[in-house]
Amino acid sequence: EVQLVQSGADVKKPGESLKISCKGSGYSFTSYWIGWVRQMPGKGLEWMGIIYPGDSDTRYNPSFQGQVTISADRFVNTAYLQWRSLKASDTAIYYCARVSDYNAFDLWGQGTMVTVSS
Amino acid sequence: DIQMTQSPSTLSASVGDRVTITCRASQSISTWLAWYQQQPGKAPNLLMYKTSSLESGVPSRFSGSGSGTEFTLTISSLQPDDFATYYCQQYNTYPYTFGQGTKLEIK
Repeated sequence: EVQLVQSGADVKKPGESLKISCKGSGYSFTSYWIGWVRQMPGKGLEWMGIIYPGDSDTRYNPSFQGQVTISADRFVNTAYLQWRSLKASDTAIYYCARVSDYNAFDLWGQGTMVTVSS
Repeated sequence: DIQMTQSPSTLSASVGDRVTITCRASQSISTWLAWYQQQPGKAPNLLMYKTSSLESGVPSRFSGSGSGTEFTLTISSLQPDDFATYYCQQYNTYPYTFGQGTKLEIK
């Protein structure tokens, strides 16, 4: 089955670090870009950035550059989204999604809920 | 960044109605536009890409049109499963931005 499976929900305190994951299966993971999308509580979708697992080429939304790090390990078919120092405003659901041949997100992970609270 | 503006933000309709959602881009994006449907508590789902191409498995009651800066998503005859939030997304220029969403509610 073609799917993206994300890591489970996490609760962190402000200032802590976090790395969430997105594992692809059922297709050639290194041949498609993977993107990350933020959805804050009750809000819309925000495009954070994308990575090409084949060579780790990355494109960031300037709004998120410096705030998060997108990476990938092609040997385990997994993409990552990482924070060095979380803030309460990072509380959101984070989705990974595959970029199709026609550049839209055609396959989505189930989402990872990140809660940052003291 | 290219700003995407959807209208209306909320739309009330009944089963069987024909509805149209509009998405406007702050600059031309040719036809590089996608539409997604999001049910409550679920990940978004791709409906249309390149403005008017239907994603595999999506019912033919969904259609899309437009070019440049103005686009529409039309549902020809609403079904119960269609009551959800819809987002447009441009993928002409990085960062690939989404509209703010249109919530389709049961009247």
